[in-house]
Amino acid sequence: GAVVSQHPSRVICKSGTSVKIECRSLDFQATTMFWYRQFPKQSLMLMATSNEGSKATYEQGVEKDKFLINHASLTLSTLTVTSAHPEDSSFYICSAINYRDGYGYTFGSGTRLTVV
Amino acid sequence: GENVEQHPSTLSVQEGDSAVIKCTYSDSASNYFPWYKQELGKGPQLIIDIRSNVGEKKDQRIAVTLNKTAKHFSLHITETQPEDSAVYFCAASSITGNQFYFGTGTSLTVIP
Repeated sequence: GAVVSQHPSRVICKSGTSVKIECRSLDFQATTMFWYRQFPKQSLMLMATSNEGSKATYEQGVEKDKFLINHASLTLSTLTVTSAHPEDSSFYICSAINYRDGYGYTFGSGTRLTVV
Repeated sequence: GENVEQHPSTLSVQEGDSAVIKCTYSDSASNYFPWYKQELGKGPQLIIDIRSNVGEKKDQRIAVTLNKTAKHFSLHITETQPEDSAVYFCAASSITGNQFYFGTGTSLTVIP
């Protein structure tokens, strides 16, 4: 089946630094990837839609200058949290649509970000 | 846009009993309905899905039913086991679209 690899799984950083999270589709091409944020015991909150070769589309209320998204290839999208603050601590999850296998929405394993 | 509602938010069952989680959606154009299981600290994993041209789909202990007229679909887990304990999310989308709309999740606890 389709696999989406997300790295790192956990990261701790100091306030004011930047953190990059990678999302790779391992066995299919993903022209569109999605980035979600999830708070404890809550549902997935869509942050942005990442389109290969073009600018990401951000959901209302999500700061595009703080959460930089780059989708430079058909298998890789990155989310960079810039000038991180403790309130950015959360669980970030990427996903991709796999059209090859008749349409499927595959999630990465998530990244636990802790800003200290 | 689509609005997906999911109930209940929490569910506790005794091991061996059945669990049912229900979702409703608003957009009649939606025709793809997946269910995801999320274990603590992990990303959601697809467990079963159904397309609008069928009313029911079963995979071992898991089944999903769809009522397009009423715009609701349900997840049924039979003979529950402790390892079924997790958060379950329903979603709705259209085959031609690239946007998925998720329910708010159901935290299932199976009591040994």
